[in-house]
Amino acid sequence: AQSVTQPDIHITVSEGASLELRCNYSYGATPYLFWYVQSPGQGLQLLLKYFSGDTLVQGIKGFEAEFKRSQSSFNLRKPSVHWSDAAEYFCAVPQGGTGRRALTFGSGTRLQVQP
Amino acid sequence: DTGVSQDPRHKITKRGQNVTFRCDPISEHNRLYWYRQTLGQGPEFLTYFQNEAQLEKSRLLSDRFSAERPKGSFSTLEIQRTEQGDSAMYLCASSRGLAGGRDTQYFGPGTRLTVL
Repeated sequence: AQSVTQPDIHITVSEGASLELRCNYSYGATPYLFWYVQSPGQGLQLLLKYFSGDTLVQGIKGFEAEFKRSQSSFNLRKPSVHWSDAAEYFCAVPQGGTGRRALTFGSGTRLQVQP
Repeated sequence: DTGVSQDPRHKITKRGQNVTFRCDPISEHNRLYWYRQTLGQGPEFLTYFQNEAQLEKSRLLSDRFSAERPKGSFSTLEIQRTEQGDSAMYLCASSRGLAGGRDTQYFGPGTRLTVL
């Protein structure tokens, strides 16, 4: 089964600083990959997705992610973090296999933004 | 698109009671999913529907859990004889039903269940 790992449980950055959240996937072929964000007590909002083609993907709220096959990674980046970006971020991949449509999520990275 | 909606947003119940949650997907989305999320964890898949057919259930969906999507539109998730371990956020998502892994799931705000 496909899986993703988010090595960082918690990250703190200063407002205006750059951000990179890590996501490593486990799959032989090129996977489909997603990043979602969850504010406290809320559902998940799709930030961006990678299916194929250009390895640098642009998303909403100024986020981007780069697919690197050689490193099995799909890291999320933002050049300048805003206080409103404080939330939990999840990387996800379809489970794969015939008829299986569920997403498998990483354990998440909680982002704290310091003023 | 009005987005995925869920009702109620919060539910507090006593152990042993039955609870039912509702999810209304984005219109024209033919797939609907239920996930459960416990504190500090990512969502875990419970079940999904293609129109009114329930096509996959995870082993997390014990006999006390049942989900329906009778007309291929809204869905309900019922938990019978709730236990304290059922306390979690229950998330609903919907998608267009595109082939393979390209299908994108859009999530609702969730229902937070607390079992006392």
